[in-house]
Amino acid sequence: QKEVEQNSGPLSVPEGAIASLNCTYSDRGSQSFFWYRQYSGKSPELIMFIYSNGDKEDGRFTAQLNKASQYVSLLIRDSQPSDSATYLCAVNRGNYGQNFVFGPGTRLSVLP
Amino acid sequence: ETGVTQTPRHLVMGMTNKKSLKCEQHLGHNAMYWYKQSAKKPLELMFVYSLEERVENNSVPSRFSPECPNSSHLFLHLHTLQPEDSALYLCASSQDSSLRWGKGGNEQFFGPGTRLTVL
Repeated sequence: QKEVEQNSGPLSVPEGAIASLNCTYSDRGSQSFFWYRQYSGKSPELIMFIYSNGDKEDGRFTAQLNKASQYVSLLIRDSQPSDSATYLCAVNRGNYGQNFVFGPGTRLSVLP
Repeated sequence: ETGVTQTPRHLVMGMTNKKSLKCEQHLGHNAMYWYKQSAKKPLELMFVYSLEERVENNSVPSRFSPECPNSSHLFLHLHTLQPEDSALYLCASSQDSSLRWGKGGNEQFFGPGTRLTVL
């Protein structure tokens, strides 16, 4: 089992819809969870992180964490064509950065 | 300069060349990382310097050699590379602290990357 798994996509949603991106992880001791957005040819940029069970909202983005089920998700409300990118889930299994593990990413396409 | 910078942005080198990638962070962080990103593969962590201690991924070939002279600068020295080493090399930094245990964070911020092509 891979440490961090994501559906590779592409996930296609119409403009204005809610995009739902999912991520599962294998290490129950994981402490914090991150979502990055990566446009083609660019480097990843941090969208948000979450470390407590439940929801965390930031603008159009909502991260959801369920440690018991070992999954974390990202919801994008009112999706825009500019949201089209690859979304990377990252898990910090411990206290320091060397425990970061990235998933393979989900490619999102928002259709105008 | 702000954030994390990397030079050069593009590099083409032969298999017998020696070159170095440079990364500089202006965020006051105490940890820096090198990642490799190949097409259709997850980000691969190569090297970490955290709290002045180097943590190495054992699967990284010796033709890649990191150097971290201080908390703001990180280098990746390259020699006798192979064509399969062609990839996007990303530098990142974070603020790591044991005081943040259980409080999240340690988020990493990336530089723009160096696109490396080995001929």
